[in-house]
Amino acid sequence: NAGVTQTPKFQVLKTGQSMTLQCAQDMNHNSMYWYRQDPGMGLRLIYYSASEGTTDKGEVPNGYNVSRLNKREFSLRLESAAPSQTSVYFCASSEFGRVSDEKLFFGSGTQLSVL
Amino acid sequence: QKEVEQNSGPLSVPEGAIASLNCTYSDRGSQSFFWYRQYSGKSPELIMFIYSNGDKEDGRFTAQLNKASQYVSLLIRDSQPSDSATYLCAVNPPLLGGGADGLTFGKGTHLIIQP
Repeated sequence: NAGVTQTPKFQVLKTGQSMTLQCAQDMNHNSMYWYRQDPGMGLRLIYYSASEGTTDKGEVPNGYNVSRLNKREFSLRLESAAPSQTSVYFCASSEFGRVSDEKLFFGSGTQLSVL
Repeated sequence: QKEVEQNSGPLSVPEGAIASLNCTYSDRGSQSFFWYRQYSGKSPELIMFIYSNGDKEDGRFTAQLNKASQYVSLLIRDSQPSDSATYLCAVNPPLLGGGADGLTFGKGTHLIIQP
């Protein structure tokens, strides 16, 4: 059972390039999330998808787009990368996403550097 | 504005002693509370969650919640060097309009267990 799988693990981009981070979960979870983690800033929510077919902005959505391709997959796209998007990105999922049951399971992360 | 505050540390504790990690949160309507452990270069992993006031014990870990004081803590008994990590407090605030909107994380406390 792989859990939450993210690709790639590492990526270096030049300013202005685009890329898509892929995430897939095999736990039949309904909700999926993208977080970024920066030193001294903690984990911040970029976008989330409460269920298949829905997506919503989190705390720091600017410069990103997402697609909930199906129940398993949730991708994050950087259309025009900026140095400020240098970070570690984590995908996560939860079974129901309800108030009392939102235990998150994280992927292994993508370390992204934008030069 | 949702805020979760933690002392960044480092918190240094001798092996075999009790490590006490603290967290405060701003949203009084928050429903559930989580502690994640994150080793350097790894993804966060859930170690404890608590929904009701009082204590919840799981092996060497005890989570304590005081909603009136908006305070949650994590105690680690018989601390081991393998407990050295960053501990993230996360809070699930009230939902607006239903659905999942992700956890709000503190910046984490770096714990060092000294052999």
